[in-house]
Amino acid sequence: SQQGEEDPQALSIQEGENATMNCSYKTSINNLQWYRQNSGRGLVHLILIRSNEREKHSGRLRVTLDTSKKSSSLLITASRAADTASYFCATVSTSGTYKYIFGTGTRLKVLA
Amino acid sequence: DAGVIQSPRHEVTEMGQEVTLRCKPISGHDYLFWYRQTMMRGLELLIYFNNNVPIDDSGMPEDRFSAKMPNASFSTLKIQPSEPRDSAVYFCASSSQGAINEKLFFGSGTQLSVL
Repeated sequence: SQQGEEDPQALSIQEGENATMNCSYKTSINNLQWYRQNSGRGLVHLILIRSNEREKHSGRLRVTLDTSKKSSSLLITASRAADTASYFCATVSTSGTYKYIFGTGTRLKVLA
Repeated sequence: DAGVIQSPRHEVTEMGQEVTLRCKPISGHDYLFWYRQTMMRGLELLIYFNNNVPIDDSGMPEDRFSAKMPNASFSTLKIQPSEPRDSAVYFCASSSQGAINEKLFFGSGTQLSVL
């Protein structure tokens, strides 16, 4: 399977705490993206990091990328109940195609 | 902008029936993707189009599945005949030219139940 793996599969934290999710992938990539999916809805893009970048910030989101380890992490700081959702990483390989391959996802639950 | 529009939102059908899922991408987007989401397999890429041409259909599970994009504003995913194991949420997504560093915009999905 080309799918990436994410861990943990599920995460439950208290409001105000930080949430960290990890993603590992298998191929050489052009970029890695993180998406969020609320229950019963489509995925929404959060942030994109290119293969030549190591860290990127957007609001309460911080993404890191380690291409030598083929891994990425998503940190959500000061989490809110509204952050409760599933989070997926997606990679676009260097193979010349535009196939976005999604990881298995992390289900985050933020308790108020 | 209305976003990516999928129809129907829910579809319940009996085994052996033909099912057609529809998608209208965002105007101006020239890449269209069909994904299937299940608990067991996660999000699987079925097929994607560029400028209405199918580029990679290696994810289409069987010959029972077919997809078309007759014009830039419409695509269909057809399952004939349908089977219970086809039950899943099917998503359509689109992106703009230069998609290698662009984000995907997803529709709300079609929840398919095959009885």
